[in-house]
Amino acid sequence: KNEVEQSPQNLTAQEGEFITINCSYSVGISALHWLQQHPGGGIVSLFMLSSGKKKHGRLIATINIQEKHSSLHITASHPRDSAVYICAVRYQGAQKLVFGQGTRLTINP
Amino acid sequence: DAGVIQSPRHEVTEMGQEVTLRCKPISGHNSLFWYRQTMMRGLELLIYFNNNVPIDDSGMPEDRFSAKMPNASFSTLKIQPSEPRDSAVYFCASSLSARVYEQYFGPGTRLTVT
Repeated sequence: KNEVEQSPQNLTAQEGEFITINCSYSVGISALHWLQQHPGGGIVSLFMLSSGKKKHGRLIATINIQEKHSSLHITASHPRDSAVYICAVRYQGAQKLVFGQGTRLTINP
Repeated sequence: DAGVIQSPRHEVTEMGQEVTLRCKPISGHNSLFWYRQTMMRGLELLIYFNNNVPIDDSGMPEDRFSAKMPNASFSTLKIQPSEPRDSAVYFCASSLSARVYEQYFGPGTRLTVT
């Protein structure tokens, strides 16, 4: 069982829809990262957060430390948002990241 | 800045051959990470360095894998001898500090061992 669980594993939606991807983890963390991997393979860091909420353009990331849960939201989704979104956590006292299996998002025009 | 640079971008080799992957981190970054990505296991940390010193190599699969960071601007990941199960995409990433800052990923090296 992966320590970092993402859901759903695959998500297909129509352009314009509001998207939510979830990430759950098992023990206390010092930080949580959301990464985006495009079909070409490159990985980009979207957010790093340890509490509350962060927003960048149409992307919003939230974290609930008590519930050990984070969500990544995409508003007004667009086909160019199609990618694999990966959640990763850094446990308290540790320096390395532990990754979820990723959520493959496909936005159809 | 050019970002994290990795070479080669693609490597095809025969089983038993030595493979060397190279990484140049972003200038000024103190932490460097080597990751492996496969369909079955996703992204996994192999090893990371702080200030050129290996801190955690518990993810290195076996003695066939070794990594070095001789200076702040260069690191290598070597596989000797290579096996077909080593086929994967290998990413290098760097950050200002492993504990505090986000990581910047290189484009990856796609390794195929036949």
